[in-house]
Amino acid sequence: EVQLVESGGGLVQPGGSLRLSCAASGFIFSRYSMNWVRQAPGKGPEWVSYISSSSDSIYYADSVKGRFTISRDNAKNSLYLQMNSLRDEDTAVYSCAFRGDIVVVPAATAFDYWGQGTLVTVSS
Amino acid sequence: QSALTQPASVSGSPGQSITISCTGTSSDVGGYNYVSWYQQHPGKAPKLMIYEVSNRPSGVSNRFSGSKSGNTASLTISGLQAEDEADYYCSSYTSTSFSVFGTGTKVTVL
Repeated sequence: EVQLVESGGGLVQPGGSLRLSCAASGFIFSRYSMNWVRQAPGKGPEWVSYISSSSDSIYYADSVKGRFTISRDNAKNSLYLQMNSLRDEDTAVYSCAFRGDIVVVPAATAFDYWGQGTLVTVSS
Repeated sequence: QSALTQPASVSGSPGQSITISCTGTSSDVGGYNYVSWYQQHPGKAPKLMIYEVSNRPSGVSNRFSGSKSGNTASLTISGLQAEDEADYYCSSYTSTSFSVFGTGTKVTVL
């Protein structure tokens, strides 16, 4: 059974940093591209970042570009999101998600597996 | 990257059909056949209902169907049931970044 378990969320002051982790199991992690998606309270999902299976392709939403860094460790079956210069508007539940098929890059935007997420609250 | 535009709410009676629209641009919905639809119940993770405009993942009811015309994609739910009451989001591949979600539509079963 595919499992994605996020951790690392919490309360942080504006301008602060946080590192999120996503522990994957139940599938061959190294074969699949991965994503971070966030959902602010009462709002819809917002795609944050994408990383290919071998980390050679990485994309970011404009809203986080230059502040967030996605990475992965295939040996540890783990996905990460380093978040710096955090702002109030970054407050959200952050989830990892992926398409459970080996497909061309554009098709990997259909996420059929999601974690339950970790809450990040940015507030003074 | 602006969110794709969806109506805020759509409602229908049990057994009826409803359609949710999702409008983007030629850089996303109109330019590629990589539109997905998600259903989200309160407190739950989004569930993929449609991928690549009109394909249903295994296990998704055939009451859900998708289509696209120009810059607008649509999700149709036929034979509306109480369990279909949820929030629905479209998403698309976009050449400007990678992926963009829609603004979301609350479906109410009357």
